[in-house]
Amino acid sequence: AQSVTQLGSHVSVSEGALVLLRCNYSSSVPPYLFWYVQYPNQGLQLLLKYTSAATLVKGINGFEAEFKKSETSFHLTKPSAHMSDAAEYFCAVKIQGAQKLVFGQGTRLTINP
Amino acid sequence: EAQVTQNPRYLITVTGKKLTVTCSQNMNHEYMSWYRQDPGLGLRQIYYSMNVEVTDKGDVPEGYKVSRKEKRNFPLILESPSPNQTSLYFCASSFGAGGVNQPQHFGDGTRLSIL
Repeated sequence: AQSVTQLGSHVSVSEGALVLLRCNYSSSVPPYLFWYVQYPNQGLQLLLKYTSAATLVKGINGFEAEFKKSETSFHLTKPSAHMSDAAEYFCAVKIQGAQKLVFGQGTRLTINP
Repeated sequence: EAQVTQNPRYLITVTGKKLTVTCSQNMNHEYMSWYRQDPGLGLRQIYYSMNVEVTDKGDVPEGYKVSRKEKRNFPLILESPSPNQTSLYFCASSFGAGGVNQPQHFGDGTRLSIL
C-alpha cells in the first residue's frame, strides 16, 4: 500500500531563513503529489500539486517543491521564512485510479523572530 | 463563495449518545469524503462518496456511518460514540477523487470530545 512519510513532526526556523520540509512516498507507479497547509482552527488549503509536467512545482506564498523520482521525494521549500508561514503542513499522495488521498503525519512549522 | 460547511464546529458529548455532523458543499462536486485528524497520525479517511447514493469505506470506518441522499450533503453519523472517537474531523469535496486538476476543498473542521 502506498504511504507518505514526513521527516520531522516539528521544524523551527528563524524569520528570513530557508524552510525545508521533507516528504517521501512509497509507490510503484507515478503518483499525484500535493502539499497542504493548515492554519490554526482552519481546514486544509492546497499549497501546490505535482502535475508531471515539470519536476519543480511552484505554489502559493512563495513555496515550491521538487519531485525527485529516484529518491521518491517531494520536499517543500521556501527561500525566506515569514512569520505568517507558521502552520502545520501535510504532504499527500494519490495513486492514479485510486479514490483517496493518503496523508503524511504532518509537520508543524514554527518561525522564530 | 465556494465552500464546504461543517456543523457543529465544536461538540462535547457523552458515550453512547448518537450524534450527526453535517457537511454541505456549494460547488456541485461529485466526490465527498470524511477524515479524522489525530496528533502524529495525519489525516485518515473514514468514508467517501463518489456520487449520490454511492459510498464506500476508507481506512478507519469502524463506528461511523454516512449517507449521500443529495449531491451537496454528506453527513457523518456516530450511532454510539465512544471516547476513542474524540478527534478533529474534516469533510472535503472535489470534482473527482482528488486528481491533479481536482484538488480537494476542506471544511474548517469539527472538534468532537466524547466523555
